[in-house]
Amino acid sequence: GAVVSQHPSWVICKSGTSVKIECRSLDFQATTMFWYRQFPKQSLMLMATSNEGSKATYEQGVEKDKFLINHASLTLSTLTVTSAHPEDSSFYICSASLGGSLAYEQYFGPGTRLTVT
Amino acid sequence: KNEVEQSPQNLTAQEGEFITINCSYSVGISALHWLQQHPGGGIVSLFMLSSGKKKHGRLIATINIQEKHSSLHITASHPRDSAVYICAVETSGSRLTFGEGTQLTVNP
Repeated sequence: GAVVSQHPSWVICKSGTSVKIECRSLDFQATTMFWYRQFPKQSLMLMATSNEGSKATYEQGVEKDKFLINHASLTLSTLTVTSAHPEDSSFYICSASLGGSLAYEQYFGPGTRLTVT
Repeated sequence: KNEVEQSPQNLTAQEGEFITINCSYSVGISALHWLQQHPGGGIVSLFMLSSGKKKHGRLIATINIQEKHSSLHITASHPRDSAVYICAVETSGSRLTFGEGTQLTVNP
């Protein structure tokens, strides 16, 4: 099946710094990539939808200036958490899909655990 | 009320038992996904279905669009099936809305 990778798998950073997380589709071209956040013992929450070459669409309550998403190519999307704070500590997961409006399978990355101290 | 509700929240079974996890949703969907999340956090997509029934190995997923209900069945359960199983519904633009997950523990 299709493989999606994320880097790094975990990161610890100091409060106030920025952290970049990469999401790559390794063997297919992903028209759409999604970024999710998962707090302990909770389900995944969609943060934003990213289409290659266009601005990301953020979910209500997600600050676009804090969570910068760049989808520069069909195989790479990045999420940058700017001026991170301890409350941003979470498990961030991306997924990649072939399609936009149609129901395509989503392939999930292994996730990145962010801890802000 | 959540748009996607799963039951049970926790399930403990003995190896070999037949397991059913249920998912009900309240919105119009283009597809429903069943996902498996292991303790490390990684997520595997098990099924995507929009009607009827799909089978993969010991896993079976069914959906009833009229009743807005789906079930995931595991036959001959094994300890390695222990994981969180998540139901997610896909609405417009491929957006997924997730249930809270069912923690399955299969004891040897």
